[in-house]
Amino acid sequence: DVKVTQSSRYLVKRTGEKVFLECVQDMDHENMFWYRQDPGLGLRLIYFSYDVKMKEKGDIPEGYSVSREKKERFSLILESASTNQTSMYLCASSQGVVNQPQHFGDGTRLSIL
Amino acid sequence: QQQVKQSPQSLIVQKGGIPIINCAYENTAFDYFPWYQQFPGKGSALLIAIRPDVSEKKEGRFTISFNKSAKQFSLHIMDSQPGDSATYFCAASSQAGTALIFGKGTTLSVSS
Repeated sequence: DVKVTQSSRYLVKRTGEKVFLECVQDMDHENMFWYRQDPGLGLRLIYFSYDVKMKEKGDIPEGYSVSREKKERFSLILESASTNQTSMYLCASSQGVVNQPQHFGDGTRLSIL
Repeated sequence: QQQVKQSPQSLIVQKGGIPIINCAYENTAFDYFPWYQQFPGKGSALLIAIRPDVSEKKEGRFTISFNKSAKQFSLHIMDSQPGDSATYFCAASSQAGTALIFGKGTTLSVSS
């Protein structure tokens, strides 16, 4: 089974802090994704990556950056956390072939105080 | 611009009922339509998916109906059970990319 592991289930940070959310997948997937999930808004794509060191902006990249130095690891970075970034963050991965299912981690609930 | 519109936002049915969740899309380049199921505290998991060359697909108690001309697709859950209580997301993508566009989700509660 594919396993997508997010480093923290719950995280509390202060405004202005630099926050790192880590995601690791164990199936050698080419594609990795970061979403945020908010009530009534569903899942919104922040960034995705097709390969190591490659990244593409999603629908809501403002205030975020990403890093993919190794194939199995995709990090989401909040450069200067703000209260409107309090949310559930979900990481996913999929094979490089189009229309393959995305496998999700269990999410990180991030609170910015 | 919301590319995939999902309704209703929430749904309550009794055990054995047939909840129906609807999605509509605008981009005619979409050709892959998955449904994801998410239990509280968990990430989403692929439930069932359809391509526009068929009008219906069944997997167990879950059925997708697809209407290409209307640009709509829906999820039906036959003989619903309390264990089906979850949030359901429809999504769409095109062969041009692998990123999915998700609907806003439907929270389903099945009462016993």
